[in-house]
Amino acid sequence: QVQLQESGPGLVKPSETLSLNCTVSGDSITSYHWSWIRQPAGKGLEWIGRIYISGSTDYNPSLKSRVTISADTSKNQFSLKLSSVTAADTAVYYCARDVWEQGNDYWGPGTLVTVSS
Amino acid sequence: QSVLTQPPSASGTPGQRVTISCSGSSSNIGSNTVNWYQQLPGTAPKLLINTNTQRPSGVPDRFSGSKSGTSASLAISGLQSEDEADFYCASWDDSLNAWVFGGGTKLTVL
Repeated sequence: QVQLQESGPGLVKPSETLSLNCTVSGDSITSYHWSWIRQPAGKGLEWIGRIYISGSTDYNPSLKSRVTISADTSKNQFSLKLSSVTAADTAVYYCARDVWEQGNDYWGPGTLVTVSS
Repeated sequence: QSVLTQPPSASGTPGQRVTISCSGSSSNIGSNTVNWYQQLPGTAPKLLINTNTQRPSGVPDRFSGSKSGTSASLAISGLQSEDEADFYCASWDDSLNAWVFGGGTKLTVL
């Protein structure tokens, strides 16, 4: 069974960089694509970006200047970095497996990141 | 403002059939398939329908999807109390080069 687990600081100061990891078990990250998605409290889902099997990436244009997604195949892990955060970046952050047009079929439980001084 | 448009709410009584619409444009739904997600309170979204009409393993056949032109719909028949959740549509957008979501529809079982 494929499982994903987000990890990282739950509190980030404004203007700093949010960093999260997603550890995958039950599958190799070299097999599919992998996405980050976030959800502010009481609001809808926002796709942040994804990393392909090849290592290339796609990012949401609204976040592109601040986002970096990378992968560490030795740890079967992929990561998210979001720079220059503000309170508007406070959200539950999910990692998910991306099966191309079939969507995101496995999700982590999510991790709440709060941006506050 | 979400790229895909969904009604914010829907409701029905147990046993009823309800539908949730999702409207997009030629760069997303008009060119690509639609997926639907169900998010129960306090949990991660779950893939409910992929590629317009396909149910992943374990999804009851009470849930069905359809697509026509730049719009899609999710239908839930034989409504049950445990269906109460938020539902989101999603499609790849060729202009944005990004997954886009609808704003979500909160389904209430009366």
